[in-house]
Amino acid sequence: QKEVEQDPGPLSVPEGAIVSLNCTYSNSAFQYFMWYRQYSRKGPELLMYTYSSGNKEDGRFTAQVDKSSKYISLFIRDSQPSDSATYLCAMMISGGGADGLTFGKGTHLIIQP
Amino acid sequence: KAGVTQTPRYLIKTRGQQVTLSCSPISGHRSVSWYQQTPGQGLQFLFEYFSETQRNKGNFPGRFSGRQFSNSRSEMNVSTLELGDSALYLCASSLKRSVNTEAFFGQGTRLTVV
Repeated sequence: QKEVEQDPGPLSVPEGAIVSLNCTYSNSAFQYFMWYRQYSRKGPELLMYTYSSGNKEDGRFTAQVDKSSKYISLFIRDSQPSDSATYLCAMMISGGGADGLTFGKGTHLIIQP
Repeated sequence: KAGVTQTPRYLIKTRGQQVTLSCSPISGHRSVSWYQQTPGQGLQFLFEYFSETQRNKGNFPGRFSGRQFSNSRSEMNVSTLELGDSALYLCASSLKRSVNTEAFFGQGTRLTVV
């Protein structure tokens, strides 16, 4: 079992819909949770990060962390075709530890105009 | 300010050869981490350099090595290339060591081993 599981998709939704992207993890030591967006032929771009449990909102994006369930989510409101990309969740043990960031494999999201 | 710059963008090498990839971090950033991205395994941590010293290392064979210079630029070397080394190699820079809550990635070097 991988430490971080993420459905690869593709997930296809119509423009304007609310998108829900999720990751589950097994290592209870993870404290920092990040979401990255990666366009084709580009490097990952940090969208937002959350420390421990709770919600964080940034514009159309909301990140949720439920440590009791080892489950994190990213919600995108009013989705746009420009949101079409691969979304990667990433996690880190407090202070970094020996393993850097641990990533999910990414969910390929398609927003249909 | 300028982002993370990786060179070259594309490389084709033959099995058994060695390759060196370069990463210039964001100005003022002292930590550089390297990752390998493949369709099968996703993004996997290779190693991190901070102040010219390797601080952390992922689970990769010794054929993968790196170094960091006094200006924080980093190079990654892969010796005795194997077909399975074909991947997108990404570097990420951050201000502080290990606390990579704000790690900025370059566009990557796509290595193809034939």
